[in-house]
Amino acid sequence: AQSVAQPEDQVNVAEGNPLTVKCTYSVSGNPYLFWYVQYPNRGLQFLLKYITGDNLVKGSYGFEAEFNKSQTSFHLKKPSALVSDSALYFCAVRARAAGNKLTFGGGTRVLVKP
Amino acid sequence: EAGVTQFPSHSVIEKGQTVTLRCDPISGHDNLYWYRRVMGKEIKFLLHFVKESKQDESGMPNNRFLAERTGGTYSTLKVQPAELEDSGVYFCASSQVARTSEETQYFGPGTRLLVL
Repeated sequence: AQSVAQPEDQVNVAEGNPLTVKCTYSVSGNPYLFWYVQYPNRGLQFLLKYITGDNLVKGSYGFEAEFNKSQTSFHLKKPSALVSDSALYFCAVRARAAGNKLTFGGGTRVLVKP
Repeated sequence: EAGVTQFPSHSVIEKGQTVTLRCDPISGHDNLYWYRRVMGKEIKFLLHFVKESKQDESGMPNNRFLAERTGGTYSTLKVQPAELEDSGVYFCASSQVARTSEETQYFGPGTRLLVL
């Protein structure tokens, strides 16, 4: 069975400071990893994904994530947070041999203060 | 290009009633998924259509839930009869790529269901 853990329910950061949202996963075999963001009253928006290759993945809105196989982590990062980055962030995993369904973490609420 | 759309955006019903949720995927997307988020917990997979066929329905909680995708376009998810624990946000997603390794699922805004 596959699972995703997002250990922080909420992350508070000052505007302009670096933002990190943590994600660890458990899956048999090699994973496909995803980050989605949900803004208030909106659906889930795709940010970025790791399939293979370079461990550092760049995505939308200046976000990036680093795949670390030894630590089974896929933390989301942004060098300089904006107030508009305040949202709910979800990490998801799909096992390569387990079909198409995504397994999500519980979500992390990010609050960027001016 | 229009995104995934879902109707209604909100639904409030009483226990025992029936509710039907609709999802229109992105045009040309053969893959359609239903997920739900209950009580602020994880988003959980319900089922996966490829065109009009159910590819994986392992996440359907019980036989009160019925999903259809007639003609391989839009999909409906019916809950009959609804129970209190069915309250949550129901998301639909679609994707185009046939090879799993390249697939990105694009999500709709969700339907908020409240069963009283």
